[in-house]
Amino acid sequence: GESVGLHLPTLSVQEGDNSIINCAYSNSASDYFIWYKQESGKGPQFIIDIRSNMDKRQGQRVTVLLNKTVKHLSLQIAATQPGDSAVYFCAEPPQYNQGGKLIFGQGTELSVKP
Amino acid sequence: GAGVSQSPRYKVAKRGQDVALRCDPISGHVSLFWYQQALGQGPEFLTYFQNEAQLDKSGLPSDRFFAERPEGSVSTLKIQRTQQEDSAVYLCASSQTSGRVYEQYFGPGTRLTVT
Repeated sequence: GESVGLHLPTLSVQEGDNSIINCAYSNSASDYFIWYKQESGKGPQFIIDIRSNMDKRQGQRVTVLLNKTVKHLSLQIAATQPGDSAVYFCAEPPQYNQGGKLIFGQGTELSVKP
Repeated sequence: GAGVSQSPRYKVAKRGQDVALRCDPISGHVSLFWYQQALGQGPEFLTYFQNEAQLDKSGLPSDRFFAERPEGSVSTLKIQRTQQEDSAVYLCASSQTSGRVYEQYFGPGTRLTVT
């Protein structure tokens, strides 16, 4: 079945360092992935997405890498700031569903040390 | 501009009570979603509306859960005869259609505690 999971539940980095958050998926037919950020007490916030015809996509201070061979994607945050402290989820639509439903992974909690 | 709003933010219900959770989506957003988020977990899909039509309710855990969006804007998630396992944060999200449906804008959620 479809599942989106994360390697590490927590990640602690020093302010200014780069952060890498990983995500594994099981369905080789998955063709679209999204990263969401959820700060404490708030709803998830869309960060960046990537389609399977791309290996890399860059946003503002964030880069998502997709390795279809090993069914793995990662979110890289450059020069991590205290405001980046949050839980990060990768998500994907289920196969054959075009309605907008998303399947979220468990999440990785990023903690930025000053 | 105004984002997605939800009310109440916190709700404590005694087991067996009925509750109603409200979502005001972003104006003009056609799609509306409800998710349930247990502590320490990712959101889990409950149901989806396109305008007033409920197109997918496959995630509703039981027939005690009911959602509506009668005029295609505000939505209400109702839980009847609440149980302790219903305790969670209920998130509402809205999105545009036509290619950006997965860029969902979430509200802050309603934290439901069933005692």
